[in-house]
Amino acid sequence: AQRVTQPEKLLSVFKGAPVELKCNYSYSGSPELFWYVQYSRQRLQLLLRHISRESIKGFTADLNKGETSFHLKKPFAQEEDSAMYYCALSPLTGGGNKLTFGTGTQLKVEL
Amino acid sequence: DAGVTQSPTHLIKTRGQQVTLRCSPKSGHDTVSWYQQALGQGPQFIFQYYEEEERQRGNFPDRFSGHQFPNYSSELNVNALLLGDSALYLCASSPPGQSYEQYFGPGTRLTVT
Repeated sequence: AQRVTQPEKLLSVFKGAPVELKCNYSYSGSPELFWYVQYSRQRLQLLLRHISRESIKGFTADLNKGETSFHLKKPFAQEEDSAMYYCALSPLTGGGNKLTFGTGTQLKVEL
Repeated sequence: DAGVTQSPTHLIKTRGQQVTLRCSPKSGHDTVSWYQQALGQGPQFIFQYYEEEERQRGNFPDRFSGHQFPNYSSELNVNALLLGDSALYLCASSPPGQSYEQYFGPGTRLTVT
């Protein structure tokens, strides 16, 4: 069974402060991990995936297989980062890509 | 390209009724996935359609069924509605060979009374 846990419902930080959104997963096989973001009044969209190892909008995430974590980080929070963030997992092989989402973390960046 | 579109935007139904939700994928996409998002929860995978067949299914009862048409658009049908079916239903489409890359629609808000 696949499971994704995001322990924080709400994370509030000041502008310019570092951000870390936590994500832990459980999956017996090889997972592919993603972060999706939903800005206010917009649809859910892909922020980044671990395989591409890209930095998007200043965010990075490293897959730690030992700790089964995929935390999302940004060194300096911006006001426009305020949004709902979802961590998601998909099997790396097997055809199709069923995404299993966490419950999400609302990030609020205060001035 | 309007991206993934879904209809209707909102829907109110009574317990026991049946409902059909529609999804048009992004231009050039051939795979459609459906998710249910209850209030305060992350989206939950219902099923995925590819080449007009159900390719994968999540942990949802048979009351939930779907269809994909030759033009890749899709329908989600829910029979014998329960109060617990009230949720936002999201459709996501993926380009050929890249089903990991899912583009989401705005969703259909279903309320069952």
